[in-house]
Amino acid sequence: DSGVTQTPKHLITATGQRVTLRCSPRSGDLSVYWYQQSLDQGLQFLIQYYNGEERAKGNILERFSAQQFPDLHSELNLSSLELGDSALYFCASSPGGLAGGGETQYFGPGTRLLVL
Amino acid sequence: GDSVTQMEGPVTLSEEAFLTINCTYTATGYPSLFWYVQYPGEGLQLLLKATKADDKGSNKGFEATYRKETTSFHLEKGSVQVSDSAVYFCALREKTSYDKVIFGPGTSLSVIP
Repeated sequence: DSGVTQTPKHLITATGQRVTLRCSPRSGDLSVYWYQQSLDQGLQFLIQYYNGEERAKGNILERFSAQQFPDLHSELNLSSLELGDSALYFCASSPGGLAGGGETQYFGPGTRLLVL
Repeated sequence: GDSVTQMEGPVTLSEEAFLTINCTYTATGYPSLFWYVQYPGEGLQLLLKATKADDKGSNKGFEATYRKETTSFHLEKGSVQVSDSAVYFCALREKTSYDKVIFGPGTSLSVIP
């Protein structure tokens, strides 16, 4: 158990819909990262938050957005869903800091999204 | 930009065989390097890491050495077990003011008895 929790575990929805994925980082970790894992794209970094502020952006679509709340949990919002958005979405956390360097990221179990 | 390349899988080995999974990277600076493992149906777990050149990371019988001259971080294990069947990801982390991690495509390993 990494200490990172994600809900829901599975999500089935239809095209055009909007969903929210939730992540609670390990106690004390300030950084939260979101990743998308699909068969054709592999593991793609989406976005990182550090202590409530966006820190880095990866291959995140404009239809997707995220935020980190004062209690440090994070939500990833996916809207106007398409079939190709079906994937496993992972959240990870790390203590965070200005010199990330060798910090370990701790991954949650993921949310499996299926868009029909 | 920075990138990580791994050998294509899937890799199938017999129990007690020697394992090597190649990983090479491209980076502008001197990143930290990681190997993560993903067991079926689970999230990624850190297997080992190295933060500077010539460092050797090791864990659970796995080893990898940070080779700056060849920009490589190959994963090795002397004798694999069935329980090592998983997907292995090589990754790098830029030592800048943010903590973005770049993952390789992953290498699937199956160990048969």
